[in-house]
Amino acid sequence: RKEVEQDPGPFNVPEGATVAFNCTYSNSASQSFFWYRQDCRKEPKLLMSVYSSGNEDGRFTAQLNRASQYISLLIRDSKLSDSATYLCVVPFSGGYNKLIFGAGTRLAVHP
Amino acid sequence: GAVVSQHPSWVICKSGTSVKIECRSLDFQATTMFWYRQFPKQSLMLMATSNEGSKATYEQGVEKDKFLINHASLTLSTLTVTSAHPEDSSFYICSARAGHRGAQYFGPGTRLLVL
Repeated sequence: RKEVEQDPGPFNVPEGATVAFNCTYSNSASQSFFWYRQDCRKEPKLLMSVYSSGNEDGRFTAQLNRASQYISLLIRDSKLSDSATYLCVVPFSGGYNKLIFGAGTRLAVHP
Repeated sequence: GAVVSQHPSWVICKSGTSVKIECRSLDFQATTMFWYRQFPKQSLMLMATSNEGSKATYEQGVEKDKFLINHASLTLSTLTVTSAHPEDSSFYICSARAGHRGAQYFGPGTRLLVL
């Protein structure tokens, strides 16, 4: 099992749609998790951090299921500007130093 | 807060040239910085962990003599690609940890093209 696995995408959705991405991780000792977004040819930018069961920030909700070892990201009322690649990120071996990046899920929001 | 800068943003050089990339944390101190490489349509791959005042920790398969890392202060880490070859052409991105929860903040990246 890969350390971090994500839905491969791409997800093509209309504006206003709700879309959810899933991510599974293998290290059960991991304590914190992150979602980053990466625009084409740009650096990753931190979108959300998840430390307990979940986190919500406006249209974005991240949920953590430790028993099943997966994290989800829900985007409500999609905007054109949400089009990007979303990276699921998990600390390596439960520590706070190295991060393991998923391959990313591409989202394309169309008018 | 948590702003990381990187310089230069673009480098085009001839094969055999050494290229130095700087990574700075602008509004916080970073004892640990990270260097990643990303090839087109691939995920980020960690190359090494840069530790202030000590040697960098390299990932398996990354040649430490090829990719020299220096972390001389709490706000600056440098990556030098020595004797660059076309296969070293890539997007190099640094990051630094801010806060105690482990999130990393990335610099804008450096695109290296070796001819």
